[in-house]
Order: sequence, then C-alpha cells, then structure tokens
Amino acid sequence: EADIYQTPRYLVIGTGKKITLECSQTMGHDKMYWYQQDPGMELHLIHYSYGVNSTEKGDLSSESTVSRIRTEHFPLTLESARPSHTSQYLCASSEPERGGPSRLTDTQYFGPGTRLTVL
Amino acid sequence: GQNIDQPTEMTATEGAIVQINCTYQTSGFNGLFWYQQHAGEAPTFLSYNVLDGLEEKGRFSSFLSRSKGYSYLLLKELQMKDSASYLCAALLSGAGSYQLTFGKGTKLSVIP
Repeated sequence: EADIYQTPRYLVIGTGKKITLECSQTMGHDKMYWYQQDPGMELHLIHYSYGVNSTEKGDLSSESTVSRIRTEHFPLTLESARPSHTSQYLCASSEPERGGPSRLTDTQYFGPGTRLTVL
Repeated sequence: GQNIDQPTEMTATEGAIVQINCTYQTSGFNGLFWYQQHAGEAPTFLSYNVLDGLEEKGRFSSFLSRSKGYSYLLLKELQMKDSASYLCAALLSGAGSYQLTFGKGTKLSVIP
C-alpha cells in the first residue's frame, strides 16, 4: 500500500482566490507528479519533479505552479483561481527500479485526489 | 508523437470474461502499465509488462507484444465491483528520463 496523501480532498472557492493543494509522500520517492483530470476524461500531466529543487511542466499547459523544497512534499499553487480550473487534481510519486537487465519499472502511486470547484 | 489507443467503453456480464485492448505507437518504449480507476477515485496499479507474454495475477492477466505495439488486460469471473475505467499507460524513456503516458481509459460496465 502506497503512502501518499493529498489535502484538502474537496475544495470550493470563489474566483480570484489563491489556493495551495498539498501532496506528501512518506516513501522517499524522488519522482513526483501532478495530474489534472476532468470527470470521465483522461489524465493530463501538468507538473513533475525528479527531486528536490527540480520542477518541470507537463504535457498540458497549466496556470498553476509547483515547488519541491523537500523530497516528501510537492505542493501545487494557483495564484488566482478561475472557474476553468475546476477539476480533479491527482498527485503521484514513483521510484524507478531495475529488476534485471531488461526490466525497468517506474510504478506511479496515486494520492486520493483533490476535487476543486471554483465558483 | 506518442499515441495510445484503447476503446472508450465496454459492457460485460457478471461472471464472464472481458478483454480490454490497448495499442500504442511510441518511441522509447520501456514497458506497459494497466491501472484501474473507479469513478471519482485515484488510479490504482494493476500490472506492468516489460517482456512479451502473459502475466497472470489472480483474476487479472495482462499481455504484451512489443513487436506489434499491443497489449490487453484480461478480467475473468467478472464481479460488479470491476465496473471502473481501465487505463493503459506506456513507460517511455528519452533524454535520460522516464515518463508515463496514459491512454484515455476504457470504461467497463459490468451488468448482472
């Protein structure tokens, strides 16, 4: 069982507010990710990090920002929330493992998600 | 570009067997994951294939053919709780790093 946590689980806020979605993992994984997923739709990678002080933008453009000051913590911030930001935000972490010369795996473990509604 | 295809929806009967296919056209392919995602919940890991062949894990099995760019997830003795979306995801390498690219998911409905 993976130990990755997200808070809050649900958030309803007004337009223009600044919010931070928290994500923490206790597995010591170097790699962490943020995905955005609308109901019934696919996962879109918006940010990822390969370790402390490393952050990169994902495939989907996002107005959010992230930081990685500690290995276990990868918060996502929206400076000014808008209704278009309404979505589910999923955090994940992974640690590559090589089980043999041909076997590289990098299983991602997901947190429970934050469902954000911006009015 | 990277492309992963899987059917959008499938319906199957409780107790039956269902096969969910996934095809991919990618570069830097390392292996293929299957995740299960119940509505409103986070994805959970089901299986990972890196070599060709079938890997069985209880009621679930996953198959990979690297030469054909093809995988499937086989679910046996279907139960109502198996109603969920099943995500196919390819682990891709490039520029010294690894990324997981997800398909759009197949929504499976299990009916009595």
